Amino acid sequence: AQRVTQPEKLLSVFKGAPVELKCNYSYSGSPELFWYVQYSRQRLQLLLRHISRESIKGFTADLNKGETSFHLKKPFAQEEDSAMYYCALYNQGGKLIFGQGTELSVKP
Amino acid sequence: NAGVTQTPKFQVLKTGQSMTLQCAQDMNHEYMSWYRQDPGMGLRLIHYSVGAGITDQGEVPNGYNVSRSTTEDFPLRLLSAAPSQTSVYFCASTTGSYGYTFGSGTRLTVV
Repeated sequence: AQRVTQPEKLLSVFKGAPVELKCNYSYSGSPELFWYVQYSRQRLQLLLRHISRESIKGFTADLNKGETSFHLKKPFAQEEDSAMYYCALYNQGGKLIFGQGTELSVKP
Repeated sequence: NAGVTQTPKFQVLKTGQSMTLQCAQDMNHEYMSWYRQDPGMGLRLIHYSVGAGITDQGEVPNGYNVSRSTTEDFPLRLLSAAPSQTSVYFCASTTGSYGYTFGSGTRLTVV
């Protein structure tokens, strides 16, 4: 079964602290994984694709096939990072499957 | 280039009423999807389409119909609205594995 799990509903950190949002997946094949961000009451925006191995707004994510994980990390959180973050798995049939989301709250 | 456009942005329906949520994209994307977003549930796939004339069910299709007569448009129909369909609905499109582009959402309340 194809599944994405984000174990934390809420993650609260102080400004300047490191952040790690966890994502685990279940997929029988070579996964294509994404992180999306949703700021308050706005549309979802693509943050990262594992294929591109890029860093956006200081965030990075590494695919670990052994642990079936794609955790999102940032060394120093900023207040403007407060948002909902969704991990998503794309299958070749055109379906994008989301995790339940993690709300990140960065306190001053 | 408007991207993905959803209308209306807000809607209140009475139980039993029907309506259509509109979604249009101008990026010539093959794939389009409809999601509903509920607190604590993330985004759940309702229906999706891999091209004009081709649609398939997602995780929560009951109570919803779709059609894809053109590449640009992918309307979502609520046949007989129920309070359980109160949600925020997002339409999205993509060419493939480059990540979906999302619309701004429709906030639907069924009373």
